[in-house]
Amino acid sequence: DVKVTQSSRYLVKRTGEKVFLECVQDMDHENMFWYRQDPGLGLRLIYFSYDVKMKEKGDIPEGYSVSREKKERFSLILESASTNQTSMYLCASRWGGRNNQPQHFGDGTRLSIL
Amino acid sequence: KQEVTQIPAALSVPEGENLVLNCSFTDSAIYNLQWFRQDPGKGLTSLLLIQSSQREQTSGRLNASLDKSSGRSTLYIAASQPGDSATYLCAPYSGNTPLVFGKGTRLSVIA
Repeated sequence: DVKVTQSSRYLVKRTGEKVFLECVQDMDHENMFWYRQDPGLGLRLIYFSYDVKMKEKGDIPEGYSVSREKKERFSLILESASTNQTSMYLCASRWGGRNNQPQHFGDGTRLSIL
Repeated sequence: KQEVTQIPAALSVPEGENLVLNCSFTDSAIYNLQWFRQDPGKGLTSLLLIQSSQREQTSGRLNASLDKSSGRSTLYIAASQPGDSATYLCAPYSGNTPLVFGKGTRLSVIA
């Protein structure tokens, strides 16, 4: 079974801190994604990566950056955390290209910025 | 840009009832469509992936259908159980682009 592991289930940080959310997948997937999920707004794509060292902006990249130094790991960085970044963060991975393999998600990180 | 709509937004049914969840999408040039389940406070679990060449895909009490030309997919749940209570999301895939998600249907099955 595919395993997508997010480093923390719950995280509490202070305004202005630099926050790192880590995601690791064990299936050698090329594509990895970071979403945030808020009530009434659904899933929104922050950043994604098609391969190592590659990154693409999603729909709401402002205030975030990412790092993909190794294929299995995709990190989301909040450069200077703000209260409006309090949210559920979800990481996902899948094979690249045109194929019929499903996308898999981690269990999520509930981040609170105080 | 692909837009995905799921109707109804919420649904409450008695245990044992058969039910249908609807998903519509605006761009029919898709490669496949995936249905997910999300329990409160958790990540998304993949339920079914239906390829564009298929009309139906089944897993246990779940059956997903896809009509690409009309931009519609349905998820049929037979003999619903309280454990089916969750939010169900659909996401069409156009090939090496990020999945686009609907906002989901929140299902409550009452014992």
